[in-house]
Amino acid sequence: EDQVTQSPEALRLQEGESSSLNCSYTVSGLRGLFWYRQDPGKGPEFLFTLYSAGEEKEKERLKATLTKKESFLHITAPKPEDSATYLCAVLNNFNKFYFGSGTKLNVKP
Amino acid sequence: EAGVTQSPTHLNKPRGQQATLRCSPISGHTSVYWYQQALGLGLQFLLWYDEGEERNRGNFPPRFSGRQFPNYSSELNVNALELEDSALYLCASSSPGGRDTQYFGPGTRLTVL
Repeated sequence: EDQVTQSPEALRLQEGESSSLNCSYTVSGLRGLFWYRQDPGKGPEFLFTLYSAGEEKEKERLKATLTKKESFLHITAPKPEDSATYLCAVLNNFNKFYFGSGTKLNVKP
Repeated sequence: EAGVTQSPTHLNKPRGQQATLRCSPISGHTSVYWYQQALGLGLQFLLWYDEGEERNRGNFPPRFSGRQFPNYSSELNVNALELEDSALYLCASSSPGGRDTQYFGPGTRLTVL
């Protein structure tokens, strides 16, 4: 069965302390892998789409990478405003989406 | 370009009554998805509509239903409200056939009293 697992569940960083969030997936034919940021009580905000292994995308302090089994969201020199829950999702060959449960990031000043 | 819009932003309803939530997709998108997110929990898939048809349904009872209109907007109906239906309801839209990125609206906060 297709599934997405994110780790860790929660991550506390000091401002400027770089780290990575992991998204492991099992899917029947990957059509796309998506990263979102969600602030409390709001809808998820789209960050990146990755389509094939080896692909990388960057936006400000965030960089997403993709292999055949997992994706990483690297956060370089994070700031307190990067605190949020980061969601990963995959789209399979049957056009079905599967979301992970998210990583809650807290960046302390 | 306007994003996904949802209304109302907040909705308070007594237990046992019905709630109707509305969603307008991004222009050009024909796929609309509904999710339930209870406080502190992950996204739970409810329904997927594309080109006016229901394409997939999550593990929710039949009192959760919806429809998609010819202009691709959608509404979610929740009948016989229960306290545990209190949650943030999120709508997302995607390109025809649901073959690419989902873009989310701001959500409707439903509180069952």
